[in-house]
Amino acid sequence: VQLQESGPGLVEPSQTLSLSCTVSGGSIRSGAYYFWSWIRQHPGEGLEWIGFISYTGSASYSSSLQGRLTITIDPSNNQFSLRLRSVTAADTGVYYCATGDDTSKVAYWGQGILVTVSS
Amino acid sequence: VVMTQSPLSLPVILGQPASISCMSSQSVLWTDGNSYLTWFQQRPGQSPRRLIYEASKRDSGVPDRFSGSGSGTDFTLKISRVEAEDVGVYYCMQGTHWPPITFGQGTRLEIK
Repeated sequence: VQLQESGPGLVEPSQTLSLSCTVSGGSIRSGAYYFWSWIRQHPGEGLEWIGFISYTGSASYSSSLQGRLTITIDPSNNQFSLRLRSVTAADTGVYYCATGDDTSKVAYWGQGILVTVSS
Repeated sequence: VVMTQSPLSLPVILGQPASISCMSSQSVLWTDGNSYLTWFQQRPGQSPRRLIYEASKRDSGVPDRFSGSGSGTDFTLKISRVEAEDVGVYYCMQGTHWPPITFGQGTRLEIK
């Protein structure tokens, strides 16, 4: 399975960050991969899981982003998406989409997309 | 669950072994008998790549110089003979007690 992030590389403070992840080489609808996650990495720092959605549409979010984050899934287009509202400079970083199964909830990663929050 | 890695920086001579420790704040052994402890390698400028899952199972295509061990709260990633291509940051991750899924801080391996 391959994953590819897409979206704007620059977002203004207080605006909404919207990213999509397109899946190829496998079908979301098949259920072979249950967990579809978003993970971010602040510049020069470690990995932070921010949320995931199951192929059935059940989502779970990091408590630090709860209230600002929404993850949705579109099995018919083999995509899932992230919307992060009211962004600040602290949301700057590389955003990865990833998927996994029962052996490892995160196994395969996209190449990542750098998002900068700045005016 | 807090994941704590050590060391955070690991200088290694080519051809020598390397070992990275990962400790969890509570046992990551699940009721099915599996420890959902995963190791990733992130080479410079690349996205992470899974090396080991369920604490000790090596992914397809991962050189057999990489091995994972441990149970409960203590886990180790070992590289039997470090090669130049092993330079990067290594992360452990637990997926037993979720949400959230949690990562260690990362261990930066460099060639001495």
